[in-house]
Amino acid sequence: GAVVSQHPSRVICKSGTSVKIECRSLDFQATTMFWYRQFPKKSLMLMATSNEGSKATYEQGVEKDKFLINHASLTLSTLTVTSAHPEDSSFYICSAREVGEQFFGPGTRLTVL
Amino acid sequence: AQSVTQLGSHVSVSEGALVLLRCNYSSSVPPYLFWYVQYPNQGLQLLLKYTTGATLVKGINGFEAEFKKSETSFHLTKPSAHMSDAAEYFCAVSGDGGFKTIFGAGTRLFVKA
Repeated sequence: GAVVSQHPSRVICKSGTSVKIECRSLDFQATTMFWYRQFPKKSLMLMATSNEGSKATYEQGVEKDKFLINHASLTLSTLTVTSAHPEDSSFYICSAREVGEQFFGPGTRLTVL
Repeated sequence: AQSVTQLGSHVSVSEGALVLLRCNYSSSVPPYLFWYVQYPNQGLQLLLKYTTGATLVKGINGFEAEFKKSETSFHLTKPSAHMSDAAEYFCAVSGDGGFKTIFGAGTRLFVKA
């Protein structure tokens, strides 16, 4: 199946700093990517749908200015957590859509101190 | 709109015993249904999916699921549990085969020796 990568796999940052997470589709082009957030022992919560060349579509309750999404190419979407706080600590997972199926990245563990 | 309900946040079975993880869905359009497995601190791996056609779907690692429209169910089964099956399992539904997938809350499977 198609492969999706995320970088970094783990990141620790200080409160108030910004963190960028990359999601890449390695062997296919993805016009649509998705960003999920997973709290400990919880399910995946869809944060936003990232569309290549246009603005992302955010789910209700997700702060657009807090979680900046850029989908500048058909193989790369980035999620930037701005002015991170401890409550932003979570597991962030991206996925990319190809031929009616979603392929998930391995996730990024963000810890904000 | 779609939604997914997984019955039982935790399921414990003995090694060699039948595994049954329950999933019920609601969808205003013909659903695409998925089961994913997640190991600790990792992304999601697709176990199997139902799109159209045969209602009994076979997946990887000996898992299978049956789509029952009359019961709006998509339960996951495996005849004989292995220790390596211990993980978190997510049922998911999509309205068009991958776009905006909605996940259930997850079921943690424990396998006892």
